[in-house]
Amino acid sequence: GESVGLHLPTLSVQEGDNSIINCAYSNSASDYFIWYKQESGKGPQFIIDIRSNMDKRQGQRVTVLLNKTVKHLSLQIAATQPGDSAVYFCAENNAGNMLTFGGGTRLMVKP
Amino acid sequence: KAGVTQTPRYLIKTRGQQVTLSCSPISGHRSVSWYQQTPGQGLQFLFEYFSETQRNKGNFPGRFSGRQFSNSRSEMNVSTLELGDSALYLCASSTGTSGFQETQYFGPGTRLLVL
Repeated sequence: GESVGLHLPTLSVQEGDNSIINCAYSNSASDYFIWYKQESGKGPQFIIDIRSNMDKRQGQRVTVLLNKTVKHLSLQIAATQPGDSAVYFCAENNAGNMLTFGGGTRLMVKP
Repeated sequence: KAGVTQTPRYLIKTRGQQVTLSCSPISGHRSVSWYQQTPGQGLQFLFEYFSETQRNKGNFPGRFSGRQFSNSRSEMNVSTLELGDSALYLCASSTGTSGFQETQYFGPGTRLLVL
């Protein structure tokens, strides 16, 4: 993914709605993908991961979809809550344990 | 199980000085990676250490260095600080056993301000 610097894309959703955060990754050889959530003043927190031999993986209230054909990753959050407000990063792993991060998307949940 | 810890949490330095940051991984984790986070460049990989050896390295100048101790704790050092080194420095740990596709868990970071 590309860094968008200070001007993070923002997704604003109503509490209780579903959220979909998208990410385009850069390397077709990447074989492992992770979504992280970062709240203000904290380090990135692991949410869910997926390997390239899968196209969907579900966790608690979250689902990750992987489309290798178009190099696209998405994170779906069901029944979004105020505590979900944060910046979300996708990361790809294509060499050793080196992660390449996308620029991030800010999720704002309106009560 | 305790998470990744980083010290100090905040640091202010002046240009030309050097700084050392510390990271203690999750118990049992042997791989430690360092990342730099800035508003302009986002999150960028610095290097990874496993069994006291640098296993992977990102595209940063030689002023950035690190090391790992036998208990898996790691330090990173930045010499001759520049204003652009102001950033949040994040440490992440993983088991290290496979060397790839490992879930990395991040610490809270050290916020470095260079004046």
